Amino acid sequence: EPEVTQTPSHQVTQMGQEVILRCVPISNHLYFYWYRQILGQKVEFLVSFYNNEISEKSEIFDDQFSVERPDGSNFTLKIRSTKLEDSAMYFCASSGVSGRGGTDTQYFGPGTRLTVL
Amino acid sequence: GQQLNQSPQSMFIQEGEDVSMNCTSSSIFNTWLWYKQDPGEGPVLLIALYKAGELTSNGRLTAQFGITRKDSFLNISASIPSDVGIYFCAGQPDNYGQNFVFGPGTRLSVLP
Repeated sequence: EPEVTQTPSHQVTQMGQEVILRCVPISNHLYFYWYRQILGQKVEFLVSFYNNEISEKSEIFDDQFSVERPDGSNFTLKIRSTKLEDSAMYFCASSGVSGRGGTDTQYFGPGTRLTVL
Repeated sequence: GQQLNQSPQSMFIQEGEDVSMNCTSSSIFNTWLWYKQDPGEGPVLLIALYKAGELTSNGRLTAQFGITRKDSFLNISASIPSDVGIYFCAGQPDNYGQNFVFGPGTRLSVLP
């Protein structure tokens, strides 16, 4: 069964450093997402991406964040200058197009645990 | 913005018991999803609901999309130890935006 994959599973970085989190969405999906989950809290939407551009983003997704689909398979989240409060699990998700219009069910990857020291 | 509430926040049950949890909002949603999350892992989709009133089963799990489109419930029958985890509901708001709003989760513990 197709699945979303993410690398690395765990990333440790120093405050102020740049990190890139990588995702390979399900191959025939067209919508891609990043979510964040701080330890013990709920999953929070960061950004959605369609047709090579950001379609929605939350207040969390400030200028320190960027996303890119550098080729036909990868979808990346870059944090330019990490802060302590960026420590969290970051989940990538992807979805297709539903027959009713709008997006179909989102499937999540296993996550990348980011630890900022 | 749209917010989802889940109840109960946590529950302890005996193995073999049935479980019921729900998700409510003051806003209308077009799609409801139920996910289970094990520690250190990503949410795994359990059930997707697309129409008001829809009742869908997946093994021992049954979920319903409330007719008001403002709520959903998830039932687990005959719980087993591997049902332990956090159950999140997620709703797609009525504006056909692409993001889903997640509830805070219900933490389920199953006692042998």
